[in-house]
Amino acid sequence: GAVVSQHPSRVICKSGTSVKIECRSLDFQATTMFWYRQFPKQSLMLMATSNEGSKATYEQGVEKDKFLINHASLTLSTLTVTSAHPEDSSFYICSAKLAGDFGEQFFGPGTRLTVL
Amino acid sequence: AQSVTQPDIHITVSEGASLELRCNYSYGATPYLFWYVQSPGQGLQLLLKYFSGDTLVQGIKGFEAEFKRSQSSFNLRKPSVHWSDAAEYFCAVGGLKAAGNKLTFGGGTRVLVKP
Repeated sequence: GAVVSQHPSRVICKSGTSVKIECRSLDFQATTMFWYRQFPKQSLMLMATSNEGSKATYEQGVEKDKFLINHASLTLSTLTVTSAHPEDSSFYICSAKLAGDFGEQFFGPGTRLTVL
Repeated sequence: AQSVTQPDIHITVSEGASLELRCNYSYGATPYLFWYVQSPGQGLQLLLKYFSGDTLVQGIKGFEAEFKRSQSSFNLRKPSVHWSDAAEYFCAVGGLKAAGNKLTFGGGTRVLVKP
């Protein structure tokens, strides 16, 4: 099946710094990728939809200047958490969608962000 | 708006016993429904999906789910649970292009398997 990777798997940073998380579709091209946030023992909350070559679409309540998304190629989307604070600590998961009106989403393994 | 409810936060089951996880959805049209499993340190893995047709859907790892439109439910079942089935299970609805291909997830059910 289709494989999606995320890097890094775990990152610890100091408050005020920026962190970049990469999401790659390894064996297929994904015109659309999604970024989710998952709090401990909770469900996945969609943050934004990332479309190749265009601006990301953010869900209500998600700060676009805080969470910068770039989808520069058909196999790579990046999420940058700018000026990170402890409340940004979370598990971030990306998914990549196959082409088509309904394309199944394949999920990355997630990135655990801890902001000190 | 679409929504998914998984009434059971935790379920403990003995190895070899049957398992049923409940899922209720709210969706304005014919739903696309999914069950995912999340093991620690791993990404979500699709167990099965329902688009149309036969309301009893077979998935991987011996799981099946039944779509019941009258009850707005899509419950997941497995006849005999293995210790490796201990994980978090998520039901999801959506994915239509008209809705931006977005998925809405339920709160999840954590399954614990007793020896």
